[in-house]
Amino acid sequence: AQSVTQLGSHVSVSEGALVLLRCNYSSSVPPYLFWYVQYPNQGLQLLLKYTTGATLVKGINGFEAEFKKSETSFHLTKPSAHMSDAAEYFCAVSDRGNQGGKLIFGQGTELSVKP
Amino acid sequence: DTGVSQDPRHKITKRGQNVTFRCDPISEHNRLYWYRQTLGQGPEFLTYFQNEAQLEKSRLLSDRFSAERPKGSFSTLEIQRTEQGDSAMYLCASSLTGVMYEQYFGPGTRLTVT
Repeated sequence: AQSVTQLGSHVSVSEGALVLLRCNYSSSVPPYLFWYVQYPNQGLQLLLKYTTGATLVKGINGFEAEFKKSETSFHLTKPSAHMSDAAEYFCAVSDRGNQGGKLIFGQGTELSVKP
Repeated sequence: DTGVSQDPRHKITKRGQNVTFRCDPISEHNRLYWYRQTLGQGPEFLTYFQNEAQLEKSRLLSDRFSAERPKGSFSTLEIQRTEQGDSAMYLCASSLTGVMYEQYFGPGTRLTVT
């Protein structure tokens, strides 16, 4: 069964600093990969996804992620954190054979941004 | 486009009671998903529909849980004989078929079982 591991349940950065949120998956066949953000009392919003092609994916709000097959990783980065980036971030995977079916989520990383 | 809506937003019930939640997807979306999220965890897949057909159900899902999408539009999730362990946020999402299409999530229904 596929699984997703997010290293660090809580990450704190200063405003303007680099944001790095880590995600590793376990699957013999690389799955589709996603990053979602969840603000308090709201549903999840898609930040970016990797399905095929270029391994560096750009998303909304200045975030990007790079798929590294050799490391089974899909880490999320943003060059300069903003206060509005404070939220919960979830990495997720979906089976390639399922035409975009169910998502398997990691346990989440809470990002705090200090002024 | 009004997005995915869920009703109610909050539900408090006593242990042993039955509860039903409703999800209205984005109108043209043929896929509808249910997830459960407990505090400090990522969402956990429960089940999903393509049109009115239930295509997959989590093996972790108790027989007390049932979901329907009778006309391929809105869906209901019923929990019978609720237990304290059922307390969670229940999320609904919808999409078109195909990985290129994003799953859009609703705001969730927070269930508290006392």
